[in-house]
Amino acid sequence: TQLLEQSPQFLSIQEGENLTVYCNSSSVFSSLQWYRQEPGEGPVLLVTVVTGGEVKKLKRLTFQFGDARKDSSLHITAAQPGDTGLYLCARGSQGNLIFGKGTKLSVKP
Amino acid sequence: GAVVSQHPSWVICKSGTSVKIECRSLDFQATTMFWYRQFPKQSLMLMATSNEGSKATYEQGVEKDKFLINHASLTLSTLTVTSAHPEDSSFYICSARKPGRDNEQFFGPGTRLTVL
Repeated sequence: TQLLEQSPQFLSIQEGENLTVYCNSSSVFSSLQWYRQEPGEGPVLLVTVVTGGEVKKLKRLTFQFGDARKDSSLHITAAQPGDTGLYLCARGSQGNLIFGKGTKLSVKP
Repeated sequence: GAVVSQHPSWVICKSGTSVKIECRSLDFQATTMFWYRQFPKQSLMLMATSNEGSKATYEQGVEKDKFLINHASLTLSTLTVTSAHPEDSSFYICSARKPGRDNEQFFGPGTRLTVL
């Protein structure tokens, strides 16, 4: 199978802390996407990473794609309550998207 | 931008009735749309791929006669849950693939279905 494993499953931190969440697979993928989903809403695309070793920044969010293109990480600096949500990674598969189970992040003020 | 809308945002129905959910791409044409289901505290599970002008492709375990999909135009796909049961209660989310972007899908806001 070509599952995506995300860790940790849950993360509760205080405002201002840094955090990293991970997305791992046993197989290589051509691209990977990160989404954030808030309760009662659809996922919103944050970034797509394509090249092994690629690093992309989106304000306080830093996304990294592993050199072997089997893993990715999302690092948030100085987390804010507005960062609270479900962070999902997804990979393309025959035109579809396969999602990981997500990391549920809660940032407390 | 790439905006996808869903209607209704929530619906409550009685067991045995049918419910139709609409998914529209507002500012682009989408030959392919996708329907997902998400149970509480779980990730999105792909139900089916909706192809404009042809039959939908269903994932294993999803009953095509129960979840009817119609993609009659390049901006509209509908999902009809027929003879709904309480176990069909879930959050249904559609997405649309925007031409020119590799596997980038843009998601609707979801529809919360509650079957009594």
